[in-house]
Amino acid sequence: AQKITQTQPGMFVQEKEAVTLDCTYDTSDQSYGLFWYKQPSSGEMIFLIYQGSYDEQNATEGRYSLNFQKARKSANLVISASQLGDSAMYFCAMREGGNDMRFGAGTRLTVKP
Amino acid sequence: DTGVSQDPRHKITKRGQNVTFRCDPISEHNRLYWYRQTLGQGPEFLTYFQNEAQLEKSRLLSDRFSAERPKGSFSTLEIQRTEQGDSAMYLCASSSPGRAHKGRDTQYFGPGTRLTVL
Repeated sequence: AQKITQTQPGMFVQEKEAVTLDCTYDTSDQSYGLFWYKQPSSGEMIFLIYQGSYDEQNATEGRYSLNFQKARKSANLVISASQLGDSAMYFCAMREGGNDMRFGAGTRLTVKP
Repeated sequence: DTGVSQDPRHKITKRGQNVTFRCDPISEHNRLYWYRQTLGQGPEFLTYFQNEAQLEKSRLLSDRFSAERPKGSFSTLEIQRTEQGDSAMYLCASSSPGRAHKGRDTQYFGPGTRLTVL
């Protein structure tokens, strides 16, 4: 069964606007971590933001924020004030009790000038 | 810190040949991971080292694959008798619990090695 689901294969956003990338997850663990990574065309996975399952506040890192809804098992990434350099693949990932991370299939974000 | 580095960045080989990739983690990171990413998919976990010990291996890691981290620093991933299905991006990541990012240790990735098997 899919652990991480990203339902949006592609998204478009106008420069300077905000965009939400969806992520839902499936786990029976109480303790887990959720991550978002950005992968530009160069291929490197760039860490963006982390949310722990016990964190009461939504995580924020600059223009990135994570809309964490634990009961719904969703961890959507919000990018505010989009920039052309934000165009990339975005991956949601979850880490449970083990050492591996499970990734979703990704969302390709295109920022239009 | 310098980031995670991987060598080579690209490798083209013929089916049946052996290939070896190298990963240099962020200095002082004691945990190292290998992932495989095929086109249109997210990375899939292959194996994990803590220092020099290989503590986890995915079922994706067939007996043609072997990974080492002999001195607990750099790691190598070898694929023997390559098949066309091995064509993928091979990503290495490292982390250190002592430098956790607001909680659980965050994995930092290298640029990857893109393997093409002809």
